[in-house]
Amino acid sequence: TQLLEQSPQFLSIQEGENLTVYCNSSSVFSSLQWYRQEPGEGPVLLVTVVTGGEVKKLKRLTFQFGDARKDSSLHITAAQPGDTGLYLCAGASGGSYIPTFGRGTSLIVHP
Amino acid sequence: ETGVTQTPRHLVMGMTNKKSLKCEQHLGHNAMYWYKQSAKKPLELMFVYSLEERVENNSVPSRFSPECPNSSHLFLHLHTLQPEDSALYLCASSQGAGTPETQYFGPGTRLLVL
Repeated sequence: TQLLEQSPQFLSIQEGENLTVYCNSSSVFSSLQWYRQEPGEGPVLLVTVVTGGEVKKLKRLTFQFGDARKDSSLHITAAQPGDTGLYLCAGASGGSYIPTFGRGTSLIVHP
Repeated sequence: ETGVTQTPRHLVMGMTNKKSLKCEQHLGHNAMYWYKQSAKKPLELMFVYSLEERVENNSVPSRFSPECPNSSHLFLHLHTLQPEDSALYLCASSQGAGTPETQYFGPGTRLLVL
């Protein structure tokens, strides 16, 4: 069974702070995706990482895929209230195209 | 707007009611999914349809019955639900079934079973 562990589960910070959330597994993933889900909405894709060691940047968000393709991190610089939401990682492995989702990190950024 | 719509957005039903959730995707995708999202649990995959054929059913109770009449529409028929079925039901679509792909989610239906 593929299992994606996300940490921390909850994070409450002030505007302007930096933060990192993690997604870890014992399985190797062919690709890993990060989604953000805002209250009352469905998850929206932020990024897909495919290559071990890959780093992708999306404005203030930096995503990294571990060298062994078993883990990933999301770093947010100078967080803003608009970053508030549930951050989900998802990955598929073993030839499956259907991703497994982690429980998510619930982030609140206070103005 | 992700190109995936769901109706209704909110639903309250009794345990003896029968209701249906509807999902429509305007993206020309070939695969559609139903997920259940409960508090404190990961997103749970319920059903997958590829080219209108069910390809996965993750041991979902028979009180949930999916229907995919064409590649753009997906339904989830509900009957004799239990209070523990209260959750956010999300529909998603992806371009095809073959390699891990981006899933495009609808806004969900918030279901409360009394």
